[in-house]
Amino acid sequence: QLQLQESGPGMVKPSETLSLTCTVSGASISRNSYYWGWIRLPPGKGLEWIGSVDYSGRTFYSPSLKSRVTTSVDTSKNQFSLRLNSVTAADTAVYYCARSPPGTPIDYWGQGTLVTVSS
Amino acid sequence: DIQMTQSPSSLSASVGDRVTITCRASQGISNYLAWYQQKPGKVPNLLIYAASTLQSGVPSRFSGSGSGTDFTLTISSLQPEDVATYYCQKYNSAFWAFGQGTKVEIK
Repeated sequence: QLQLQESGPGMVKPSETLSLTCTVSGASISRNSYYWGWIRLPPGKGLEWIGSVDYSGRTFYSPSLKSRVTTSVDTSKNQFSLRLNSVTAADTAVYYCARSPPGTPIDYWGQGTLVTVSS
Repeated sequence: DIQMTQSPSSLSASVGDRVTITCRASQGISNYLAWYQQKPGKVPNLLIYAASTLQSGVPSRFSGSGSGTDFTLTISSLQPEDVATYYCQKYNSAFWAFGQGTKVEIK
């Protein structure tokens, strides 16, 4: 059974960089052509797609966030990562990692991790 | 980039009512459209994919329709356990996008 687990600091200071890692267990991240993505849910708002990376390292970013986002994959650790720089309070959210086979909806989600931006 | 616009943003209906939520894509996405239900503190749950295919285990009172740019999620008879926020999502490419969400409450 595939499992995704987010990890990273629960609090980040304004103007600094938010860094999260998603560890994949139960399948190899490099074996098939999947999209490994990041989605967030700010308090009182809706789901927002942040960006994705595929097994080869190709990246895809939300136009509204692409100037601040970097996603990457580490096949040796079976992990993929998110970096969001120059954060503000508006970046406070529950961050989810997720998987989607091309042309199909998201089939696996991590449990989500709350990241608060505060000094 | 393709934008997804959902309406209404919230609704209140009585148990047993028929509820309809709409989702519009700014460009055609064929039938690459999914609907998710999210309850507070929980991970989104897939209800419908390919615009109209019911995910295994989802009650038959949920249905989806549409193709191209206009899509609909219908709950034929609203139940108390359906209180949640509902999202549409496009997946026709690696560039995903969600609608803004519709919060469904019981009157």
